[in-house]
Amino acid sequence: NAGVTQTPKFQVLKTGQSMTLQCAQDMNHNSMYWYRQDPGMGLRLIYYSASEGTTDKGEVPNGYNVSRLNKREFSLRLESAAPSQTSVYFCASSRVNEQFFGPGTRLTVL
Amino acid sequence: AQKITQTQPGMFVQEKEAVTLDCTYDTSDPSYGLFWYKQPSSGEMIFLIYQGSYDQQNATEGRYSLNFQKARKSANLVISASQLGDSAMYFCAMREGRNDYKLSFGAGTTVTVRA
Repeated sequence: NAGVTQTPKFQVLKTGQSMTLQCAQDMNHNSMYWYRQDPGMGLRLIYYSASEGTTDKGEVPNGYNVSRLNKREFSLRLESAAPSQTSVYFCASSRVNEQFFGPGTRLTVL
Repeated sequence: AQKITQTQPGMFVQEKEAVTLDCTYDTSDPSYGLFWYKQPSSGEMIFLIYQGSYDQQNATEGRYSLNFQKARKSANLVISASQLGDSAMYFCAMREGRNDYKLSFGAGTTVTVRA
């Protein structure tokens, strides 16, 4: 039981490049999330998926797109990376009284 | 308006003593849940404790307890018998609604345990 897994762990991009962050969970949860954490701050919600086939914007969705590929997988895409997207990205899945987080992806945009 | 407020940016505590981390929240939904997470320097988010808005008793998990004061909209975390390994950032978070599990996070409190 791996919980929530994310790839890659680290990534460096140049401004304007694109990339997809991958996330998978093996706990059969319906709900999945993408958060970002900037230095010294709490996590902010980018996008979420309440169930397979649905996605919704969170607090900071600009510059991102998501795909809920199936119940297990939820990917986050940066189409044209900007330095302001330098952050640590966490994927999570949840049941009502617990949210499980992946290990995070540290992304730097130069 | 901020949904979760953590007013203590950093705290020091002596090993084996207790420490209380403050958290206040703002919601008009009668159904909500409050979470505390620990984030050590390695960066992972570790779930500590959960309190539902309808729970009659304060939640406890080992050395962690949640002092839930609903009328004051307060959900303080108490860590008893602090250990050096408790040095970390601690986040309070809230979900709102019966079927909505997304979380709003506070800015966090850094705890440093001194030997």
